Amino acid sequence: DTGVSQDPRHKITKRGQNVTFRCDPISEHNRLYWYRQTLGQGPEFLTYFQNEAQLEKSRLLSDRFSAERPKGSFSTLEIQRTEQGDSAMYLCASSLASGNTEAFFGQGTRLTVV
Amino acid sequence: GESVGLHLPTLSVQEGDNSIINCAYSNSASDYFIWYKQESGKGPQFIIDIRSNMDKRQGQRVTVLLNKTVKHLSLQIAATQPGDSAVYFCAETPFGATNKLIFGTGTLLAVQP
Repeated sequence: DTGVSQDPRHKITKRGQNVTFRCDPISEHNRLYWYRQTLGQGPEFLTYFQNEAQLEKSRLLSDRFSAERPKGSFSTLEIQRTEQGDSAMYLCASSLASGNTEAFFGQGTRLTVV
Repeated sequence: GESVGLHLPTLSVQEGDNSIINCAYSNSASDYFIWYKQESGKGPQFIIDIRSNMDKRQGQRVTVLLNKTVKHLSLQIAATQPGDSAVYFCAETPFGATNKLIFGTGTLLAVQP
């Protein structure tokens, strides 16, 4: 499978715990994005990497959230001290770096904070 | 609240009919637009895109129309099939925003056999 891969697909955690999600983009794609989607809504932009550089972060990304892409390939999104409001689908997407081109999404990680 | 968000606009069509899904976008400076299809429990799937220097683009069974004057985007699906049942989102990229997508409210397409 040469698409965007996310792991895990589902995560249930207790409030206050830390969680980490992984995204493996399409191999030749320089750009990687994280989005969050709640039920019935469209995805909302969280952050964006070009290669290993994190170039933009949304105001939605509180201090409890951190994303990395250390070698410009896979990326991780960590949420510290999870809250019930963090429950959502976390989507990763990747695209080529040449101008505006289509972004391809992974299947997402469904987080439930209990 | 979240319960309001569950009430997506819904388009119900008969199998074989043509479908038209509409979207109003927000930023007059947006220069790139994409339609995505999302099935339950899955990530958004790219359908078709259009740049702001065009007003129409066709793909396989799908056509996207762009009206910049009224900031309106539509997706036409010909000969709708049960497999087309999903939530459809339009997304825009403001000029210079390097592919950051701003998604609109989705539309649930329900195809009746």
